[in-house]
Amino acid sequence: EAQVTQNPRYLITVTGKKLTVTCSQNMNHEYMSWYRQDPGLGLRQIYYSMNVEVTDKGDVPEGYKVSRKEKRNFPLILESPSPNQTSLYFCASRTRQGKNIQYFGAGTRLSVL
Amino acid sequence: DAKTTQPTSMDCAEGRAANLPCNHSTISGNEYVYWYRQIHSQGPQYIIHGLKNNETNEMASLIITEDRKSSTLILPHATLRDTAVYYCIVRVLWESSASKIIFGSGTRLSIRP
Repeated sequence: EAQVTQNPRYLITVTGKKLTVTCSQNMNHEYMSWYRQDPGLGLRQIYYSMNVEVTDKGDVPEGYKVSRKEKRNFPLILESPSPNQTSLYFCASRTRQGKNIQYFGAGTRLSVL
Repeated sequence: DAKTTQPTSMDCAEGRAANLPCNHSTISGNEYVYWYRQIHSQGPQYIIHGLKNNETNEMASLIITEDRKSSTLILPHATLRDTAVYYCIVRVLWESSASKIIFGSGTRLSIRP
């Protein structure tokens, strides 16, 4: 089954404790993105990647890092989480070849205390 | 991307057809109409897209007016599981840019038993 898998689904952590949210897709998609969703603000893009070893900042990259060492994986790293990063996070992917359909993961609800 | 407008909320009886309208009067000739939905706090889910002809898949039908300035998403036999926020957006088919997806406020569809 074609899917985007995020882990963990829920995470509670404390300020300053480094964490990684993993994202993996099995559709051989070139494009991958990370979004955060906050009430009243909609989806905002954090980082995106157009292929292996190619990443770029989205609209709200501060406090986040990403890497794209393999085509299927696109982890989101919070080196020193802060309470304002408490949010619902989604990973998404799409193929470069037409249709322009984004496939989203189930989401990771992060709380930073 | 062209802007879209949708009603804030709608409701529909279970088993009946849910018809969700969307206006996109500034749509360009090469832009497609896409529909996604988001069930509470889950990842957004692609439903259907089209250019100018009516489209149907296993989830829904999409009716686009001849002038392409508006469209209607039809869920033929709504169930309680169709309760979600539905987003109508317009995008080009081939996109090599940051590929971020921007949803508006969408329509909150409630299915009543």
